[in-house]
Amino acid sequence: ELKVEQNPLFLSMQEGKNYTIYCNYSTTSDRLYWYRQDPGKSLESLFVLLSNGAVKQEGRLMASLDTKARLSTLHITAAVHDLSATYFCAAVEGDYGGSQGNLIFGKGTKLSVKP
Amino acid sequence: DVKVTQSSRYLVKRTGEKVFLECVQDMDHENMFWYRQDPGLGLRLIYFSYDVKMKEKGDIPEGYSVSREKKERFSLILESASTNQTSMYLCASSLWGGNQPQHFGDGTRLSIL
Repeated sequence: ELKVEQNPLFLSMQEGKNYTIYCNYSTTSDRLYWYRQDPGKSLESLFVLLSNGAVKQEGRLMASLDTKARLSTLHITAAVHDLSATYFCAAVEGDYGGSQGNLIFGKGTKLSVKP
Repeated sequence: DVKVTQSSRYLVKRTGEKVFLECVQDMDHENMFWYRQDPGLGLRLIYFSYDVKMKEKGDIPEGYSVSREKKERFSLILESASTNQTSMYLCASSLWGGNQPQHFGDGTRLSIL
């Protein structure tokens, strides 16, 4: 059974600092997704990582995937207040082809960026 | 832009009632999903569908059923609502294919009294 663990679950940062959120998963998964959720809002797709060594960047966020270590990271560079949100990673259990079932989410990392 | 619309943002029902949550997407997506989100538990998949009239159980299907009569619409049904089904319910859709992200609706916060 696939388990997805994120750490830390809570992260308080100062503006301008760098930090990394870690996402470990317990069994083979060749796809890894990152989502962002603002308070009271729904989830927004950030990155889809499809292969070992994949790296994607958008603004101050960079995500990477190491399928051998079963680890994905979300790196935040020079944090700003607008990045305050909850970040979820998700991996796919089993072979469901293109149906994406079952996507297993981590519990989320609540990021708070303070001035 | 993809639009996933859930019929209600907030809903209050009583125990034992049959509850319908509706979700409509406007991008001709093959896949549709229902999740519930609870504090400390993250998102858990209730059911998903990859085609009209097709449905598959997720992690926590007990007490729920779904209906997909048209490609754009995916309904979640609580057969006999119970207080432990009080939660935030999120609908999502995606194109067929593992490289496609899921697009989420705004959610329905359901309270069962």
